[in-house]
Amino acid sequence: GIQVEQSPPDLILQEGANSTLRCNFSDSVNNLQWFHQNPWGQLINLFYIPSGTKQNGRLSATTVATERYSLLYISSSQTTDSGVYFCAGPSGSRLTFGEGTQLTVNP
Amino acid sequence: GEEVAQTPKHLVRGEGQKAKLYCAPIKGHSYVFWYQQVLKNEFKFLISFQNENVFDETGMPKERFSAKCLPNSPCSLEIQATKLEDSAVYFCASSQSRQDNEQFFGPGTRLTVL
Repeated sequence: GIQVEQSPPDLILQEGANSTLRCNFSDSVNNLQWFHQNPWGQLINLFYIPSGTKQNGRLSATTVATERYSLLYISSSQTTDSGVYFCAGPSGSRLTFGEGTQLTVNP
Repeated sequence: GEEVAQTPKHLVRGEGQKAKLYCAPIKGHSYVFWYQQVLKNEFKFLISFQNENVFDETGMPKERFSAKCLPNSPCSLEIQATKLEDSAVYFCASSQSRQDNEQFFGPGTRLTVL
């Protein structure tokens, strides 16, 4: 199955700052998902993005499948953005998760 | 429904007791997946179903773990004789088709084995 690496492992921001999270994967993928796990443990779908760029409010994501990476952009961060951000790619039908980026946004 | 539902939210068992977790996939989704999140940032795939048929069970510890998806019933994951290391959050996910493979996750069941 594929290997998924995320960076940075930890990120601390002041409210209002922008950030970029990266996900590298070891093999070509036909889909990639980004999730936010909030402090209560809920896993929230952010993007399903096999390739190209998508935007949803202050969040956007870009996947460059040929170069095997995806980026998640968070603009004007808010304290509610805190939590762990995971990317996941397919190994067969199952998802293989990266180890996540722990984001803390301070007021 | 339009969300994956999981019950119970929390489950506490003494070591050696049985634990049973339930999952109702999104209506119209034919694939169901179970994942275990043991350490905070580590997800382990357990098993997947296509309708009521096991699709991939290569992640299942077969000695004590079993799972079913029966028609017109929630899917279930059962752990016989729980061990301390089974303490984890168990997530269920569903997807419309394997090829599409966008998976939607339920809120999880937190299992604590004492």
